[in-house]
Amino acid sequence: GQQVMQIPQYQHVQEGEDFTTYCNSSTTLSNIQWYKQRPGGHPVFLIQLVKSGEVKKQKRLTFQFGEAKKNSSLHITATQTTDVGTYFCAGPGYGQNFVFGPGTRLSVLP
Amino acid sequence: NAGVTQTPKFRVLKTGQSMTLLCAQDMNHEYMYWYRQDPGMGLRLIHYSVGEGTTAKGEVPDGYNVSRLKKQNFLLGLESAAPSQTSVYFCASRSTGEAEKLFFGSGTQLSVL
Repeated sequence: GQQVMQIPQYQHVQEGEDFTTYCNSSTTLSNIQWYKQRPGGHPVFLIQLVKSGEVKKQKRLTFQFGEAKKNSSLHITATQTTDVGTYFCAGPGYGQNFVFGPGTRLSVLP
Repeated sequence: NAGVTQTPKFRVLKTGQSMTLLCAQDMNHEYMYWYRQDPGMGLRLIHYSVGEGTTAKGEVPDGYNVSRLKKQNFLLGLESAAPSQTSVYFCASRSTGEAEKLFFGSGTQLSVL
């Protein structure tokens, strides 16, 4: 079945450093979504990418969708303590479902 | 606008006990989902519904049942709880349109002893 992988599993950075998480799918995706989950919280939708090679920015966050539509990345510039949490990518699965990656947990040391 | 509401927030069960988790959404969404989240495994789909009166199995359906009698409610039942069902459960509903995004409830922490 379809698999969505993310690396790294964990990332510890010093505040002000950059951070990148990578998402790879075993199949071509029609779109990819990113979610953020704060510690003790629930996943919150960040963005959806649809087009091959698409790049979208949200303040310090930059999202990319690969040319082959099988991979994606999330880059955070100059991390802040408010960026702490787990970042998930998700792609359409069978039926009307989403398949989530295992997530990348980001820790930011002040 | 409450969004997606889950109850209860916490529950402790003994092995073999039963319980029902309630999810309610006020956004008139057709699609609703139940996920479980375990450390290092992300979100795994248990069951889902594409509309009132319909349900379907997800990735990990064994030991769970669901019902969608009303469009706004999606219930998850455990008939005979097992320690392997200790997890955090999230309900979600899905919007349609330009971005078909998921709106999650705040989660239920379930421990089965």
